[in-house]
Amino acid sequence: QSVLTQPPSVSGAPGQRVTISCTGSSSNIGAGYDVHWYQQLPGTAPKVVIYGNTNRPAGVPDRFSGSKSGTSASLAITGLQADDEADYYCQSYDTRLSAWLFGGGTKLAVL
Amino acid sequence: EVQLVESGGGLVQPGGSLKLSCAASGVTFKGHEMTWVRQAPQKGLEWISYISAGASTIHYADSVKGRFTISRDNARSSLFLQMTDLRAEDTATYYCATVGFCSGGDCLQPFWGRGTLVTVS
Repeated sequence: QSVLTQPPSVSGAPGQRVTISCTGSSSNIGAGYDVHWYQQLPGTAPKVVIYGNTNRPAGVPDRFSGSKSGTSASLAITGLQADDEADYYCQSYDTRLSAWLFGGGTKLAVL
Repeated sequence: EVQLVESGGGLVQPGGSLKLSCAASGVTFKGHEMTWVRQAPQKGLEWISYISAGASTIHYADSVKGRFTISRDNARSSLFLQMTDLRAEDTATYYCATVGFCSGGDCLQPFWGRGTLVTVS
């Protein structure tokens, strides 16, 4: 069981909005450590879609947004497209474990 | 353009050793904290090791502590992972990545390589 908790799966129809949550604790997200989000398409390396809680790398569409509050963070994807179908992971640092943790991953299905 | 290229993966017998390398370009390597992350087949991402920019601070996940050693050569913009006493459960794709963080309102994006596959069998 991951220290950062994500739902195993989420789904939405094309054009809809979905959110993926990442719940941590007072030793990681709640301690103020930054959250990064990765998208992983089958057979490829993870790609950063959000870094530093809310920042989008160049080339990532503004349909992707991140937020953080208390001990949790969220990734929102609006205007769902078929090629958004992928696994999504959150990442943060945990001061109690001295480790850069990942959530267990969330599989996004575009119906 | 930032590029991280891992190499050194392959097939190794249980109990064997392997050394992975990660060559960095397009980035001031000596200024970046670095990590190794692995992903077993059909599994999630697992952080396994960290090294500070000057190599003064090193951390390992419990799953590899005592068996893996992280190191870096800033003059050659290279990161390494020496793996010993390899087990079947170490079979995974290994990625090197820079550490992203925010400081004083500025945020540094993490960058990842494409990975190298290690198979222990």
